[in-house]
Amino acid sequence: EAQVTQNPRYLITVTGKKLTVTCSQNMNHEYMSWYRQDPGLGLRQIYYSMNVEVTDKGDVPEGYKVSRKEKRNFPLILESPSPNQTSLYFCASSSQTSGRLIETQYFGPGTRLLVL
Amino acid sequence: GESVGLHLPTLSVQEGDNSIINCAYSNSASDYFIWYKQESGKGPQFIIDIRSNMDKRQGQRVTVLLNKTVKHLSLQIAATQPGDSAVYFCAEINTGTASKLTFGTGTRLQVTL
Repeated sequence: EAQVTQNPRYLITVTGKKLTVTCSQNMNHEYMSWYRQDPGLGLRQIYYSMNVEVTDKGDVPEGYKVSRKEKRNFPLILESPSPNQTSLYFCASSSQTSGRLIETQYFGPGTRLLVL
Repeated sequence: GESVGLHLPTLSVQEGDNSIINCAYSNSASDYFIWYKQESGKGPQFIIDIRSNMDKRQGQRVTVLLNKTVKHLSLQIAATQPGDSAVYFCAEINTGTASKLTFGTGTRLQVTL
């Protein structure tokens, strides 16, 4: 089954304790992206990756890091989480051709993070 | 800056009626539009898309209409069912230059029995 998986689904942590949210897709997609979803603000892009070893900032990258060492995986790293990073996080992937985004993105189930 | 927005935050519809969810976009260079459905506790799910060279596209029980003159997008759901209850997002992109979708804030559709 084609899917995007995220782990963990729920996480409670404390300020400053490093954490990683994993994302994996089995569709051989080049493009992967992380979003956060907050009430009234919709989905905002954190980071994206056009292919292996190619990453770039989205709209709200501060406080986050990503890596793309393999095509299927795109972990989101919070080096020193803060309460304003409490949110619902989604990973997404899609295919692309010639550097242009092929538009339909497939989303993971989400990771709900609470930073105390 | 450019933005994609929705006219109504919550829409209540009786089961069996048709639903219309609206979206306004401001980037006239956008050439591709998508509607997503997000059920409680789940990630957004693709419903239907439309390119700017079209003004209407139909799927199974859903129709998307695009009016480029007024930069307006709508999603019509025929014979709305309880399973249609969800938050619906529109998204837009200029596929020639942009590397990301821009999402609206969402409309909640509530289906009453």
